[in-house]
Amino acid sequence: GESVGLHLPTLSVQEGDNSIINCAYSNSASDYFIWYKQESGKGPQFIIDIRSNMDKRQGQRVTVLLNKTVKHLSLQIAATQPGDSAVYFCAEKPPNRDDKIIFGKGTRLHILP
Amino acid sequence: DAGITQSPRHKVTETGTPVTLRCHQTENHRYMYWYRQDPGHGLRLIHYSYGVKDTDKGEVSDGYSVSRSKTEDFLLTLESATSSQTSVYFCAIRDYTDTQYFGPGTRLTVL
Repeated sequence: GESVGLHLPTLSVQEGDNSIINCAYSNSASDYFIWYKQESGKGPQFIIDIRSNMDKRQGQRVTVLLNKTVKHLSLQIAATQPGDSAVYFCAEKPPNRDDKIIFGKGTRLHILP
Repeated sequence: DAGITQSPRHKVTETGTPVTLRCHQTENHRYMYWYRQDPGHGLRLIHYSYGVKDTDKGEVSDGYSVSRSKTEDFLLTLESATSSQTSVYFCAIRDYTDTQYFGPGTRLTVL
């Protein structure tokens, strides 16, 4: 089975409820942020992104909030479904760095029936 | 998987043998990356490429080499595999918005 994701914090959410996954980023100069979803045995999948000149961005059933004051990023998933079960991690990109995206360790989202 | 394929998808090899992993993209993007993913470490950059024949090291490059002779292909080579290189390897491409898109991964086991 998939070994990535062992020892990750887990968020358990009832199906149909909203999920909020949080991320603290490290570099106050980072200007671009991404949320990824990784299902077992698969590669990370892009969900939504936000630039540092924005506080909020909405996609289909997902919203990302950025609080630059406290270097905090959150991902909100509306009406959580069984297919949302995965590891979610944030990523930040410092400016002017071709090589550098800093990935968080991730949070496992577990959907309760 | 955003037009990215990786081969092989699974490989078991023995310590000391050379191993080459291939990443192929159909998107014609300039930037390509190789990461490894291990429990407790998240994604760590091995090497990246910013064009044909243009590559640079990432944070965990020791024991790995790369080559990019064509825009669409980025090869990762383990010259002499060690057990510490047992991992899941992901290739990624970067588009014009700076977003990185990942391939499906290669699970490598070094015995």
